[in-house]
Amino acid sequence: GNSVTQMEGPVTLSEEAFLTINCTYTATGYPSLFWYVQYPGEGLQLLLKATKADDKGSNKGFEATYRKETTSFHLEKGSVQVSDSAVYFCALSVYSGNTPLVFGKGTRLSVIA
Amino acid sequence: EAQVTQNPRYLITVTGKKLTVTCSQNMNHEYMSWYRQDPGLGLRQIYYSMNVEVTDKGDVPEGYKVSRKEKRNFPLILESPSPNQTSLYFCASSKRGVGGTEAFFGQGTRLTVV
Repeated sequence: GNSVTQMEGPVTLSEEAFLTINCTYTATGYPSLFWYVQYPGEGLQLLLKATKADDKGSNKGFEATYRKETTSFHLEKGSVQVSDSAVYFCALSVYSGNTPLVFGKGTRLSVIA
Repeated sequence: EAQVTQNPRYLITVTGKKLTVTCSQNMNHEYMSWYRQDPGLGLRQIYYSMNVEVTDKGDVPEGYKVSRKEKRNFPLILESPSPNQTSLYFCASSKRGVGGTEAFFGQGTRLTVV
């Protein structure tokens, strides 16, 4: 079946620190990969995506590269801000599959000034 | 504005009293889903729908019902709520397409069953 595993949180960083949140996946077929972000009190919103191997998704200073050989899609940001404090979800979808999205459990990030 | 609208945002109810959480999308999306979010368990899919009159169970369907009579609406029904259904619920919609398409989420419904 399809599944996503992401690193357990919470993660606490100082402002301007480097961020990595690990995400690996198992999928039948050829998945598209996503990172969603959930700010406090809000629903999830798409942060970035990649649809094929070696694609790099990027948005708001965050990046993630689709690595088929390691089945990974790690999220990185070079310099985090307090406003990046949120819960981050890695997810996949398989067009040939019958379910829309499969999510990881989420990683809570807290950035302190 | 493209959006998914859930109602209500907050609900406190008593055990056994039937309730419905509504979800509506204005993007003509084929897929709609319901998730519950619980601390330490992440997002778990309750039910999903591929199109009108097509629904299927997700990972945690027990105690829930859904219907998809119109493309835009996907209500979640709790016939006899119990305290273990206290949770934060999200509705999402997406367009079926090659290459993976973005899912749009509602703002969430925080349900407390006492």
